Amino acid sequence: DAGVTQSPTHLIKTRGQQVTLRCSPKSGHDTVSWYQQALGQGPQFIFQYYEEEERQRGNFPDRFSGHQFPNYSSELNVNALLLGDSALYLCASSLGTVRTQPQHFGDGTRLSIL
Amino acid sequence: ILNVEQSPQSLHVQEGDSTNFTCSFPSSNFYALHWYRWETAKSPEALFVMTLNGDEKKKGRISATLNTKEGYSYLYIKGSQPEDSATYLCAFGNSGNTPLVFGKGTRLSVIA
Repeated sequence: DAGVTQSPTHLIKTRGQQVTLRCSPKSGHDTVSWYQQALGQGPQFIFQYYEEEERQRGNFPDRFSGHQFPNYSSELNVNALLLGDSALYLCASSLGTVRTQPQHFGDGTRLSIL
Repeated sequence: ILNVEQSPQSLHVQEGDSTNFTCSFPSSNFYALHWYRWETAKSPEALFVMTLNGDEKKKGRISATLNTKEGYSYLYIKGSQPEDSATYLCAFGNSGNTPLVFGKGTRLSVIA
């Protein structure tokens, strides 16, 4: 039973560039949430996708956008990268959007901005 | 802005010791409280999802309690083992259907 997979594992970009991170949810899950974890902080919610639509969004600028595909996999896109975007980006999947469902996390993508 | 606090930030215990740490959250409009264990170089793993005041959950040597009226949850580890070394995260959901809010975690190191 495949768990949540994220790619790439690590990524180095420079300021102003654009990046795309990818996530495949756990088998049977239909909801994908993205989190940003900066150093010394807890995971911060970016947005959640269900039925190929953004259902909820955290306090992140429009530079952060996403997509969910018919197979439930998801992408996170960040444009005009800033130094402050350096962080670990976690993807989590669940069955439905109900918050009593546990989140299943991937290993994350470590993004470094130079 | 919902505030979820975890304490202590980190602790070191000897193998065999029992330990506990706290997650504090707003005491109004409670919906759910999650606990996750996050080992280094791995992904966060769900431990418990708690929804009712007075809930007690147990998984092996790890247990958790919930007090929604005063806004806190305790996570207990009995007879700590080196493999319990990890960061323990809690996440709070309120009845306003806002996303889960995570604390910064408690980093536990168990010394053999």
